[in-house]
Amino acid sequence: DAGVIQSPRHEVTEMGQEVTLRCKPISGHNSLFWYRQTMMRGLELLIYFNNNVPIDDSGMPEDRFSAKMPNASFSTLKIQPSEPRDSAVYFCASSFPSGGQNEQYFGPGTRLTVT
Amino acid sequence: AQSVTQLDSQVPVFEEAPVELRCNYSSSVSVYLFWYVQYPNQGLQLLLKYLSGSTLVKSINGFEAEFNKSQTSFHLRKPSVHISDTAEYFCAVSDIDSWGKLQFGAGTQVVVTP
Repeated sequence: DAGVIQSPRHEVTEMGQEVTLRCKPISGHNSLFWYRQTMMRGLELLIYFNNNVPIDDSGMPEDRFSAKMPNASFSTLKIQPSEPRDSAVYFCASSFPSGGQNEQYFGPGTRLTVT
Repeated sequence: AQSVTQLDSQVPVFEEAPVELRCNYSSSVSVYLFWYVQYPNQGLQLLLKYLSGSTLVKSINGFEAEFNKSQTSFHLRKPSVHISDTAEYFCAVSDIDSWGKLQFGAGTQVVVTP
């Protein structure tokens, strides 16, 4: 298996622009997580999907952030409009089945820079 | 609510020396415990986990961690490190009744030098 795939790996954009990050989870995994990693705040969970349904989005920082999972093999995280403070590395992770004991498999991340 | 404390933000260590990374957690319920490792410019990978049973758990590359319930700790150790162990290490906890939400510590950067 190719593992969790994220694209793009790097994104540089100007403040105010829309940014879309993409994730393909491992085939057969039914749980998907979006995380953000910064030096100041560490690793934060943004949103969790189970069977394509958002279960916990309490970590989404504000309305500028939205996430979708239209099917079991694809998810997007969108920021509109982007701001410099959104600069971070965004990770997608997947696991199967849902449950606290199961390993989460992380993608390589998307490094976002907003200027 | 849970919290995870990794007391050391950076640990320098010489090659072939032992290393210990400290992790303490707080939770009102029983938890699962994890150590993840992040190599430069990569995502996190599971190193080892404690679910139940023996309190000492081991990874395939020589790391081990011991769950101490009374001290609410899950310290990670390796008796002899390699240059390739240079990475950031994250301790994480998950409530056993949860859907899998992980609470991560701030991470400990291990730098191994010859």
